[in-house]
Amino acid sequence: AQRVTQPEKLLSVFKGAPVELKCNYSYSGSPELFWYVQYSRQRLQLLLRHISRESIKGFTADLNKGETSFHLKKPFAQEEDSAMYYCALSGNSSASKIIFGSGTRLSIRP
Amino acid sequence: DTGVSQNPRHKITKRGQNVTFRCDPISEHNRLYWYRQTLGQGPEFLTYFQNEAQLEKSRLLSDRFSAERPKGSFSTLEIQRTEQGDSAMYLCASSPFRDEQYFGPGTRLTVT
Repeated sequence: AQRVTQPEKLLSVFKGAPVELKCNYSYSGSPELFWYVQYSRQRLQLLLRHISRESIKGFTADLNKGETSFHLKKPFAQEEDSAMYYCALSGNSSASKIIFGSGTRLSIRP
Repeated sequence: DTGVSQNPRHKITKRGQNVTFRCDPISEHNRLYWYRQTLGQGPEFLTYFQNEAQLEKSRLLSDRFSAERPKGSFSTLEIQRTEQGDSAMYLCASSPFRDEQYFGPGTRLTVT
C-alpha cells in the first residue's frame, strides 16, 4: 500500500533550537519525495523535493531508502517557520498524483 | 495574481443540494488535479486531467461526484445530492508536465 506517515501532529520547539519533522513512507518502487508547507492563511506550497537536494529556508531532508524515511531538519528554528508541514510522495507513473501524510504543525516558541 | 484560482472560496449548502466548484489553473499548465482535505488530514487525491482528458479517478470519487475540463483550461467539480460527509476543503492544483504542482486556495464546503 502507498502511504505516508507523519507520527507527530504537533511539534513545539524554542527559537534557535534544532527541528526534525519525521516522515516515513510505504511504496513499492522508487517514489519521489516532497515536503509541502502551509503558512497561516496561505496556500499549500512546495518546500523541497528529494531529487533537487537543495536547502530551502535552511531546511534539508535526506531520503533514506533503507529506513523508508524522509525526515525534515533545520539546525536553528526561526519564528517564521511556524506552519503546517506535509510530507508527500508521488510515484513514477505519468499521472504523478501526490499522496500526502496527515501533517505536522510546527510551533516555534520565542 | 497569476496563480491557481478557485471559486467560490466558501460554500454552505443544505444536504441533498447540488454544488459546483470552479478551478482556473495557471495558464499553459496542461495537468490539473483535484484533492479533498478533511480536518486533521492531508489532501487526498480525487482526480487528474491532462488537457481535457480525465485520466485517473480515485475510488473516493463516488458516482455523485463529476469533474470536467471541457477545453483543457478551467475545470469544474460537481457534487450531486450532497451529504454531510462531503464537508471538506476542495483543492485544485496544476502543473506543467510531470513537475511541481501549484495549489489554489481551496473551496471550503460546509453541508448542513
